Amino acid sequence: DAGVIQSPRHEVTEMGQEVTLRCKPISGHDYLFWYRQTMMRGLELLIYFNNNVPIDDSGMPEDRFSAKMPNASFSTLKIQPSEPRDSAVYFCASSFGRVYTGELFFGEGSRLTVL
Amino acid sequence: GNSVTQMEGPVTLSEEAFLTINCTYTATGYPSLFWYVQYPGEGLQLLLKATKADDKGSNKGFEATYRKETTSFHLEKGSVQVSDSAVYFCALSRNTGTASKLTFGTGTRLQVTL
Repeated sequence: DAGVIQSPRHEVTEMGQEVTLRCKPISGHDYLFWYRQTMMRGLELLIYFNNNVPIDDSGMPEDRFSAKMPNASFSTLKIQPSEPRDSAVYFCASSFGRVYTGELFFGEGSRLTVL
Repeated sequence: GNSVTQMEGPVTLSEEAFLTINCTYTATGYPSLFWYVQYPGEGLQLLLKATKADDKGSNKGFEATYRKETTSFHLEKGSVQVSDSAVYFCALSRNTGTASKLTFGTGTRLQVTL
């Protein structure tokens, strides 16, 4: 079975440009999460959805970041305008049911470099 | 708030050595506890979990016991292999209604050499 699929795997862009990261969760999963990983701050939860509805976006750094989930099989994380401090690996993850008793399945990540 | 504290890495061991990675947590109520592993260039994957006090999670030779009295969930393996080289993350999740969040520690890098 296909796991969580993210694209692009690598993105290099210049400061001020718009960046869109994409995620296809595992079919049937009802929770979707976006995480950011950096050496300085480790893994940070940015936002998560339940049944396509955003539940908690308290981790979204600022208004430059936005996330959508138009349907159960697709989500995007957009950064506009991008800044060098946004350079990180962005992970999408999905789960069936709450992670309290379940398992989070991660994609391979999108490595973003903002010059 | 919820937090997870892991020992600093990297941890460097020779093959077949005994491994312990310490993890302590702060949370109200009765969280579930997890260990996730991240191999180079990959996303995290669940290694083991425990959902209540005194439970022992185990997988692939790794074990961790949920100790509520010491708020700990230390990861152990009796004999590590080179293929165990990875970053290990301790995490917790609280049972709070419909919320579904994992709080991760900072990760501990393990390097196993021949």
